[in-house]
Formats: sequence, C-alpha cells, structure tokens
Amino acid sequence: DTAVSQTPKYLVTQMGNDKSIKCEQNLGHDTMYWYKQDSKKFLKIMFSYNNKELIINETVPNRFSPKSPDKAHLNLHINSLELGDSAVYFCASSRTRRTEAFFGQGTRLTVV
Amino acid sequence: TQLLEQSPQFLSIQEGENLTVYCNSSSVFSSLQWYRQEPGEGPVLLVTVVTGGEVKKLKRLTFQFGDARKDSSLHITAAQPGDTGLYLCAGDSGQFYFGTGTSLTVIP
Repeated sequence: DTAVSQTPKYLVTQMGNDKSIKCEQNLGHDTMYWYKQDSKKFLKIMFSYNNKELIINETVPNRFSPKSPDKAHLNLHINSLELGDSAVYFCASSRTRRTEAFFGQGTRLTVV
Repeated sequence: TQLLEQSPQFLSIQEGENLTVYCNSSSVFSSLQWYRQEPGEGPVLLVTVVTGGEVKKLKRLTFQFGDARKDSSLHITAAQPGDTGLYLCAGDSGQFYFGTGTSLTVIP
C-alpha cells in the first residue's frame, strides 16, 4: 500500500502543451510538497501546502499551478511547457513542515 | 533559500573502504536530516540530528551535527554495494532545504 503515490511516472510531451501530475498520500499528513530535481540531482522545493493552504511558493514561473482539493491530494498543473521544464518532479508529505518527509517515486517529465 | 553545499559531489570507492560526506552551510539550522535516494525512487530518511555536537549511529553509518549547527557529516565504515545512492542533507530553517547531493558508487 503506497504511502505517497504520484501519476504518471513518465510523461513525454511537446513544447507548448499543458499537463498535470497527480499526487495522493494515505498517511494522514497535514503538509504536502512539490519538488523539482534537475539533471544535477539538485532537489529544489517548489510549493508547500498545509491543510490545503499554500504555505510556501518558491520562485516558480506562474505557468506552474498547484491545486489541493483536499488534505490528501496535491496536484501540479503546468501550462505552456518549455524545454527547461524537463526534470523529475517529486511529491512528498510530512506530518508537519519540520518532520520527516515521505516522497513519491517521482514523475520524469520530458519536454521535446 | 538556504544553501547547503555537499562534498564531494561524486564518490566512487571499492567495497570495504571507508568514506565521509560533508554538508556545510553558513546558516544555523534547528535540525538536519540525511536522506538516501536510489535510482528511480524518491529520497528516504536515514536520520535526523537536532543537538549541536550530536552523533547518531545507524549500523555502519555515523552522522554528526556540528557544534554550531551549521554543518554535518556522514561517515560510512566498510562500504557495501548496497550503500550506492545519492545522499542528501536537508537543513531546517523553518522549512527543510536540501543540499546539493553526493552521488556514491560502491564497486564490488
């Protein structure tokens, strides 16, 4: 029974398209995140939500919009995809912002 | 964003050797976590250190938090191929920020 699951695992799309990545956690955690891991393996936080409310929005283009329909779900929608958006995107959750984060398996996004 | 520099960036060693990975910052952290990430997977927490000078052991892995809570180290004794992976430190300054990562390969 996967704790943090995200779909799809792989996503290949053309420049200019709009795509969404879904994330669900069954741990009962209050906080969820989206991270971007680039080709150099640097893991950078994009967004942090606490009880469906946006807490952190790091410097991310407006083309990226997170949506949290409920505490267990945090989806990421990306408009007008660019080549530079190619990366692995990780969803994670934690009980609070200062405790252990549990990560999904990642979504490898390739923009061609 | 708090910058945590990890060194070395890449490390390739023979099975049985010892190694140390460093995580350094100019910022003070309330606590610091170490994660390991295997290919195709998300990071998994290894340990959290909270007190300056704290040392924690996890089998062959020894973690130390600097006295000033600005840096940390991870020492692996007698490395095994199963230790291969990306090691990430993450510092808590109200929110956890990840380090630049150390990619370890242990050759059988």
